[in-house]
Amino acid sequence: DTGVSQDPRHKITKRGQNVTFRCDPISEHNRLYWYRQTLGQGPEFLTYFQNEAQLEKSRLLSDRFSAERPKGSFSTLEIQRTEQGDSAMYLCASSLASGRGGTEAFFGQGTRLTVV
Amino acid sequence: SQQGEEDPQALSIQEGENATMNCSYKTSINNLQWYRQNSGRGLVHLILIRSNEREKHSGRLRVTLDTSKKSSSLLITASRAADTASYFCATAALYGNKLVFGAGTILRVKS
Repeated sequence: DTGVSQDPRHKITKRGQNVTFRCDPISEHNRLYWYRQTLGQGPEFLTYFQNEAQLEKSRLLSDRFSAERPKGSFSTLEIQRTEQGDSAMYLCASSLASGRGGTEAFFGQGTRLTVV
Repeated sequence: SQQGEEDPQALSIQEGENATMNCSYKTSINNLQWYRQNSGRGLVHLILIRSNEREKHSGRLRVTLDTSKKSSSLLITASRAADTASYFCATAALYGNKLVFGAGTILRVKS
């Protein structure tokens, strides 16, 4: 399978614990995005990378959230001191940057986080 | 914040009927994309329409874009039970690189 893969698919954690999610994009894609989705809502942008550079972060992304993309390949999203409000589906997507017009993003299956 | 707003929020039709979903947005865009999401799963890209295009077809899907009204519509013809899903429009801003999603339309196709 050469699509976007995310690990783990499900995570249950206690409030206050740290969690880390991994995303492996489609290999030739240079852009990688993280989104968060809660029930009944559309995906909400968190951050994106072009190669290894983190080019944009949402103002919604608190200091407890950090993302990395070492070597411009896989990416990790870490949430420190989790809160119940962090419970959501975390989606990763990748795309190929183009000079004009933009291209479609391919999404992984998501990591569902439940903070208890 | 979400730029796009889909209408209706929910739609229930019989198999074989057509389904139309609308999307409105606020800022100038580079392109607009439609995605489908089955319950609890990731999003699947359906179709991309660029700002200089007015209509695009893909199989049973037809998308229109009216940049003067900042709106788009997705038509699914001859719907099937397997089309039951949430449908989202997403816009790529003129000078941005991220996709901004609306809240989606829940489509239920009854067999």
